[in-house]
Amino acid sequence: NAGVTQTPKFRVLKTGQSMTLLCAQDMNHEYMYWYRQDPGMGLRLIHYSVGEGTTAKGEVPDGYNVSRLKKQNFLLGLESAAPSQTSVYFCASSYSTGFGQPQHFGDGTRLSIL
Amino acid sequence: GQQLNQSPQSMFIQEGEDVSMNCTSSSIFNTWLWYKQDPGEGPVLLIALYKAGELTSNGRLTAQFGITRKDSFLNISASIPSDVGIYFCAGFFGNEKLTFGTGTRLTIIP
Repeated sequence: NAGVTQTPKFRVLKTGQSMTLLCAQDMNHEYMYWYRQDPGMGLRLIHYSVGEGTTAKGEVPDGYNVSRLKKQNFLLGLESAAPSQTSVYFCASSYSTGFGQPQHFGDGTRLSIL
Repeated sequence: GQQLNQSPQSMFIQEGEDVSMNCTSSSIFNTWLWYKQDPGEGPVLLIALYKAGELTSNGRLTAQFGITRKDSFLNISASIPSDVGIYFCAGFFGNEKLTFGTGTRLTIIP
């Protein structure tokens, strides 16, 4: 079982470049999330989606955009990368959150902005 | 927003020792989750707690949902080398966002 798959695993960008991170899940989960993880700060929610075609802002959404065109995929875009966006990005999915369903995480994308 | 304080930030123990860590919140939660993260990987769920006072075990791991609903505890008995990693608590209050603690880094001294 693949679970949650993130691509790419590593990427180095120059300031101002754009890129898209892809998350795919094969568990038929409704909810999907994008987090960033920085040293000493735990996981912070960037954007999330409660179903195909829907997206919502999380705790730190500025500088990022997302799309959920298909239920199994959740894309995170950086339009104009900045050094402050250097981080490890994690995608997660769950059946729902209203009943406290645990979230399942991918292995992360390590992004460096020079 | 809600904040979770997780302590200790790091632990250095010898193999075979028991481990205790906790998470406290400024507001109540109705779900507590404990995750472990190995280097280069994503967090993996260890234990989920859904009721105040609940005590749940998963092998050598035991977690408790505090009766005030503002804290949770994780204990690891007889630690082994593969217990090394970062342990995160996460709290949930029926909205759509999970709040994470800042993690406890566990290191086993040879």
